[in-house]
Amino acid sequence: NAGVTQTPKFQVLKTGQSMTLQCAQDMNHEYMSWYRQDPGMGLRLIHYSVGAGITDQGEVPNGYNVSRSTTEDFPLRLLSAAPSQTSVYFCASSPGLAGWYTQYFGPGTRLTVL
Amino acid sequence: DAKTTQPNSMESNEEEPVHLPCNHSTISGTDYIHWYRQLPSQGPEYVIHGLTSNVNNRMASLAIAEDRKSSTLILHRATLRDAAVYYCILSSRTQGGSEKLVFGKGTKLTVNP
Repeated sequence: NAGVTQTPKFQVLKTGQSMTLQCAQDMNHEYMSWYRQDPGMGLRLIHYSVGAGITDQGEVPNGYNVSRSTTEDFPLRLLSAAPSQTSVYFCASSPGLAGWYTQYFGPGTRLTVL
Repeated sequence: DAKTTQPNSMESNEEEPVHLPCNHSTISGTDYIHWYRQLPSQGPEYVIHGLTSNVNNRMASLAIAEDRKSSTLILHRATLRDAAVYYCILSSRTQGGSEKLVFGKGTKLTVNP
C-alpha cells in the first residue's frame, strides 16, 4: 500500500491564481480530511469527508472547496489564492469516524502564495 | 472542543526513558486520548491511543490517570529518531456527529546524544 499520497510536494502561486491540491489513499478508508499547518502551530482542520459524495466544513474552511467523487480521492481547491493561505497542507484518512480509529497522514504540500 | 495542555518543550538523553505529560481536565466520558508525533518536514504519525486503561504498543506506552484528566506518553528508551513534536489529542465529535482530531501546539522533544 502506498498509504496517503499528496501532490505536488511544493507549489508557488501568485495572488488570485487557482489550483488544486491532490490527495489519494489506497486503504479504502471512508473518512478523509484536510489540515493546514502554519509555522510553529498545530494542525487546523479545513474540510472533511465521511464518504463519497459527503463533505463538511472544519475549523478554517474559508477560501477552500472540496469534493469527494470517489472513495480514493479528496482534492482541495483554492479558487483565488491569498498570501494568508501560505502554509503546509496535510491530507489524512481513517477507516471510520469513531474516536478509536487512527488517522493516516500524507507527507504534505508546502504552498507559498506571493 | 475538549482541550489539552502540554509543555512546549522537553529534553531527554539518548537511551533514557521519557515521560511526556498531558492535561485534559475537560475530557468527556466518550473521548479517546490520542498521541501523534511529527518528525521534521513530515506529516503527523500515529503513536498510541486509549480510553481508560493503560496501553502498550511497540512504539510507546500510554498511562491514563484514574480520573482521566491527565495522561502520560512513555518512551521507554529514547533514540535520536524520537526527536519530534508530540501531540496529545482528544477525539472530538462535531455538531454533525463526525469525529475529528483537534491539534494543539504539542511538545517539542529534543533527544541529546
